[in-house]
Amino acid sequence: DIQMTQSPSSLSASVGDRVTITCRASQSIGKYLSWYQQKSGKAPNLLISAASRLQSGVPSRFSGSGSGADFTLTITNLQPEDFATYYCHQSYSALTFGQGTKVDLK
Amino acid sequence: QVQLQESGPGLVKPSQTLSLTCTVSGGSINSGSYYWSWIRHPAGKGLEWIGRIYTGGKTSYNPSLRSRVTVSIDTSENQFSLRLTSMTAADTAMYYCARTYFDSSGFNFDLWGRGTLVTVSS
Repeated sequence: DIQMTQSPSSLSASVGDRVTITCRASQSIGKYLSWYQQKSGKAPNLLISAASRLQSGVPSRFSGSGSGADFTLTITNLQPEDFATYYCHQSYSALTFGQGTKVDLK
Repeated sequence: QVQLQESGPGLVKPSQTLSLTCTVSGGSINSGSYYWSWIRHPAGKGLEWIGRIYTGGKTSYNPSLRSRVTVSIDTSENQFSLRLTSMTAADTAMYYCARTYFDSSGFNFDLWGRGTLVTVSS
């Protein structure tokens, strides 16, 4: 299995902050990387696919970058509705997720 | 719009078999080139993909669960199902069904059910 390691596992931030979450794959996965947002008690929501392709309806303050084994999710101008847990996901082979990064209010 | 809804028992005894169904409403399970997946989320842990099925019946499973998992589809009922045998406490989790598409970016889950909590306990 390809292991996905996210860092940090949690972070505290304020509204208006810039937040960066990283995801590292145990081997190269090209750009077969997506990001999901999960709010408490809700199902996950697809934010970004192909490492940097923003899904329709997702605010432009979300962006993704990277290829190979190292990826980043950036949220600029953090909004109250962005406090959630974020997961990376690889579909290069035998689909796996990162362990999640919880973003909470400082 | 298309919606997914999981159904099944919330409590399963150890060693028993879990059976869950996902009903697709607002559209045909046959429309578009979609796959249909099951994903679970144990409390305090990360998400785990369980398996998927294509409308033609082709399946793919998480290697770590393959020996215990069966995903099936009933297009006449607009449903797909999960069967997980030999349940243990480690299988306690929120179980989600999800619509899955495949493109140049790989497999992605673009529509999810609300989830159903399954607890394994005697």
